[in-house]
Amino acid sequence: DSGVTQTPKHLITATGQRVTLRCSPRSGDLSVYWYQQSLDQGLQFLIQYYNGEERAKGNILERFSAQQFPDLHSELNLSSLELGDSALYFCASSAKGPTGELFFGEGSRLTVL
Amino acid sequence: KNQVEQSPQSLIILEGKNCTLQCNYTVSPFSNLRWYKQDTGRGPVSLTIMTFSENTKSNGRYTATLDADTKQSSLHITASQLSDSASYICVPEGGGTASKLTFGTGTRLQVTL
Repeated sequence: DSGVTQTPKHLITATGQRVTLRCSPRSGDLSVYWYQQSLDQGLQFLIQYYNGEERAKGNILERFSAQQFPDLHSELNLSSLELGDSALYFCASSAKGPTGELFFGEGSRLTVL
Repeated sequence: KNQVEQSPQSLIILEGKNCTLQCNYTVSPFSNLRWYKQDTGRGPVSLTIMTFSENTKSNGRYTATLDADTKQSSLHITASQLSDSASYICVPEGGGTASKLTFGTGTRLQVTL
């Protein structure tokens, strides 16, 4: 158990819809990272938050947005969903400081039909 | 552009056999190299990390090697077990924020009876 909690574990929705994925980082970790993993693809960095503020953006589509709340949990919002958005979405957290071990949640599997 | 190439893409071995997974990287700056294990449908978990000055590091039946000059790493699994079936992901680290990490696409290992 990494200590990172993600919900929901599975999500099936239709094209054009909007979903929200939720992540609670490990206790004490201030950084939250969101990644997308499509079939046979490497983890693609989407966005990072640190203590409530956006720190870095990766290849995140304009249809996607995220935020980190005062209690440090984070939400990833995916809107106007397309078939190609079907993927595993992972949240990871790390302790403050330079690159170190990332602790990943179990992921949210999104299927867009 | 930072790149990480892993080979083979997939591998099937009999239980009890050994195997070696390869990772070639072009990442700058470089300070450490980490291997993650990702069980199917789960989040990646760190197996081992090597600093640029280390050549070999063992973690039980897993032995990682690193040649920072040729930018190559390998992960050797000894006496494989069914529970070793997973994807193994190579991640060179540069000492900065995790948002800059480049993840390999992984080697999918299947251990069979």
